[in-house]
Amino acid sequence: DTAVSQTPKYLVTQMGNDKSIKCEQNLGHDTMYWYKQDSKKFLKIMFSYNNKELIINETVPNRFSPKSPDKAHLNLHINSLELGDSAVYFCASSLRDRDNSPLHFGNGTRLTVT
Amino acid sequence: AQKITQTQPGMFVQEKEAVTLDCTYDTSDPSYGLFWYKQPSSGEMIFLIYQGSYDQQNATEGRYSLNFQKARKSANLVISASQLGDSAMYFCAMREPNTGGFKTIFGAGTRLFVKA
Repeated sequence: DTAVSQTPKYLVTQMGNDKSIKCEQNLGHDTMYWYKQDSKKFLKIMFSYNNKELIINETVPNRFSPKSPDKAHLNLHINSLELGDSAVYFCASSLRDRDNSPLHFGNGTRLTVT
Repeated sequence: AQKITQTQPGMFVQEKEAVTLDCTYDTSDPSYGLFWYKQPSSGEMIFLIYQGSYDQQNATEGRYSLNFQKARKSANLVISASQLGDSAMYFCAMREPNTGGFKTIFGAGTRLFVKA
């Protein structure tokens, strides 16, 4: 029944490793996002995909590569992890062409890089 | 430039009282949406309330209401009859047109503490 689900919930890894976070939504939304929440709780948009097409890329280092195999899935792959990548990463979805469409968030993935 | 400003890093309110969380925004687009989200200590993000830029009346959802003052570009959240479970981070957000669709940006948040 979960609307937006992301896995894993926790991810602890060492610097230099490569890791992925998966996200799936069953709301029938056509747009999906990745947000990063830092230690001060500030939420910043990273990427937005609409029907598998990248529409927002907010000057994120190219170590971060999103992939959307279909409009219900948006994964995030991170290469060569750095200490500063430690954060909570939220996946979200919404309807595209509506300014009244709220974001539906997954429960977040807490990434800790040691 | 900061587009969503929440000037109260932390707020305290007594249980059963009302509290107002401030939010101001900046946009040149005539069409936008304003949202409030709640993030309890468990970490999930919960959508609370929406106000459209063309809406004439303030939005209400149960104990939540949005005090929308368009000329002042403010969208304050009012929580009536506070409950202990209202203790959380609250984020104001704005959804505005962007290349290819809409983009939602967030303020820095206000942490609300409800005292028994």
